[in-house]
Amino acid sequence: QSALTQPASVSESPGQSITISCTGTNSDVGAYNYVSWYQHHPAKAPKLIIYDVYNRPSGVSNRFSGSKSGNTASLTISGLQAEDEAEYYCSSYVSGSTLYVFGTGTKVTVL
Amino acid sequence: QVQLQESGPGLLKPSQTLSLTCTVSGGSISSDGNYWTWIRQHPGRGLEWIGYISYSGITYYNPSLKSRVTISLDTSKNQFSLKLNSVTAADTAVYYCARRERGKYNFDYWGQGTQVTVSS
Repeated sequence: QSALTQPASVSESPGQSITISCTGTNSDVGAYNYVSWYQHHPAKAPKLIIYDVYNRPSGVSNRFSGSKSGNTASLTISGLQAEDEAEYYCSSYVSGSTLYVFGTGTKVTVL
Repeated sequence: QVQLQESGPGLLKPSQTLSLTCTVSGGSISSDGNYWTWIRQHPGRGLEWIGYISYSGITYYNPSLKSRVTISLDTSKNQFSLKLNSVTAADTAVYYCARRERGKYNFDYWGQGTQVTVSS
């Protein structure tokens, strides 16, 4: 099972918006609405920020939003803030016995 | 608030067995509906799901690691463990423990991760 494809890095100025793509196949992203996104600051525990494509856990800023079209899911961060600088990973449930596949990760830099 | 903390040796030699423990606080590992998970991240690469064990002890493993992996529960200590046999340099990674809830397809609580290096 191959990893989901994400851009390696995205950079933008504070206050702007960015969108991170997560491309899979019709066995994972395209097959299920079970895409989740995680924010990971170095040396900290990864944090769930989006689940089931577009749902936010309690306490997560509404500046984070998710969507999906076909085999590609997306995470949008609006009103970019310095604290958003982190690595972001997508994940999807996948048919077969592998069960879960993650993205390659995107480093977000706030200029 | 559930918290997870990984622990175990950080340096192994090839062919040895990797043994890590995840200590859970703020909740019982025997609670109905929880799946206790191990995930790893190779240097410079994305995350890889290793497997998980249900609250009732049923295990699910990534087929690519299934022949070498064992995940188990220790309810007396509120811990769960990972054993990976016959390690090689390719098993060098940061290992994370996490929780998944029944009916959900995400991992809502994670530990901070522990670095494991395999080197002769």
